[in-house]
Amino acid sequence: AQKVTQAQTEISVVEKEDVTLDCVYETRDTTYYLFWYKQPPSGELVFLIRRNSFDEQNEISGRYSWNFQKSTSSFNFTITASQVVDSAVYFCALSEARSSGTYKYIFGTGTRLKVLA
Amino acid sequence: ETGVTQTPRHLVMGMTNKKSLKCEQHLGHNAMYWYKQSAKKPLELMFVYSLEERVENNSVPSRFSPECPNSSHLFLHLHTLQPEDSALYLCASSQERTGLTEAFFGQGTRLTVV
Repeated sequence: AQKVTQAQTEISVVEKEDVTLDCVYETRDTTYYLFWYKQPPSGELVFLIRRNSFDEQNEISGRYSWNFQKSTSSFNFTITASQVVDSAVYFCALSEARSSGTYKYIFGTGTRLKVLA
Repeated sequence: ETGVTQTPRHLVMGMTNKKSLKCEQHLGHNAMYWYKQSAKKPLELMFVYSLEERVENNSVPSRFSPECPNSSHLFLHLHTLQPEDSALYLCASSQERTGLTEAFFGQGTRLTVV
């Protein structure tokens, strides 16, 4: 069965520390997509990154970086030099094609990140 | 103008009331979703509409009734809700069938059932 596990329920770090949020997924499909979303206190989920299953190249965007490893079914997210504004709940998600041709998103339970000044 | 707009942002309703949540997307997407987010629980997918046709209903009680009149609008009609239905209801949209884009979410409606 498809599943996304974010084992870290809550993480607290002091500003300027680096922090890695873990994501492990399960799927039987060879074609799938992985995502990270940020949910600030305002409520909406903000898209951060999308990766397809054929692209294992790691990506860096400013202070954010992502490490995709198919061998361990992991898609971890690292924030370098964290800031208070990074405080939010972060969700990892997996998307697979349904038989109907549409896609299904499966979300992890989220990791609450608290960055302390 | 934001991509996905939900109204109202907050709603308090009694168990005998009837109300509707509205979602509008301005992204030209062809799929729309309703999710329920309760405290300390994962995001629960409720309904999926693709090309205005409901393609998924995840065993949602009949007191929740979705409606998708066109590809830009999605409603969730509520009636005789229970206190445990209090949650953040999120709407999302994406582009499907020609591949996949990421889902874009609205800010949600915080629903309290009293």
